[in-house]
Amino acid sequence: GAGVSQSPRYKVAKRGQDVALRCDPISGHVSLFWYQQALGQGPEFLTYFQNEAQLDKSGLPSDRFFAERPEGSVSTLKIQRTQQEDSAVYLCASSPRASNTEAFFGQGTRLTVV
Amino acid sequence: DQQVKQNSPSLSVQEGRISILNCDYTNSMFDYFLWYKKYPAEGPTFLISISSIKDKNEDGRFTVFLNKSAKHLSLHIVPSQPGDSAVYFCAAIYTGNQFYFGTGTSLTVIP
Repeated sequence: GAGVSQSPRYKVAKRGQDVALRCDPISGHVSLFWYQQALGQGPEFLTYFQNEAQLDKSGLPSDRFFAERPEGSVSTLKIQRTQQEDSAVYLCASSPRASNTEAFFGQGTRLTVV
Repeated sequence: DQQVKQNSPSLSVQEGRISILNCDYTNSMFDYFLWYKKYPAEGPTFLISISSIKDKNEDGRFTVFLNKSAKHLSLHIVPSQPGDSAVYFCAAIYTGNQFYFGTGTSLTVIP
């Protein structure tokens, strides 16, 4: 497809389980972002990649969160030992340039930790 | 600390009338502002943006106004249509690599 694709769309994890969320950005887009959106809140920044380089990970809430983009295209957000407060929609966005003024968002992955 | 605030969680407007969505921010370093629209179960979709060097940007039925001295921006939709019913997020940038989003305003346009 032409847009940002995220999988799975929905994920239910038992507390303590590890999860991996995938983002396929728009082909050729340089920048990739991950955001976390809790219920009733706006999206909050997690991390940013420019090609394969993770330039900003200041928004990752704990060392249980890890993101990678090894070949500068597909990205994976991994959450280890999930906890209930990790339940949220995880949004991925990509942008054709280094700046994100034209970021295109995926549909998100809704993670529920039970 | 919420740097971008949307104080109205919801707004209802009659079809054909003007919808005005408001957004306030605290960080004077923000230099670019955007509005995103979000339907249920979909990701946010870019709507309109404005640079801090401007005070108005217009695109069809959508106009964004920026008042830097008041640290306030607003989105005007004229005329409002039922298909405009969605959650609208205000966002701001200053570092170039992350958006700061508001909490959203749910707009309902009544036919």
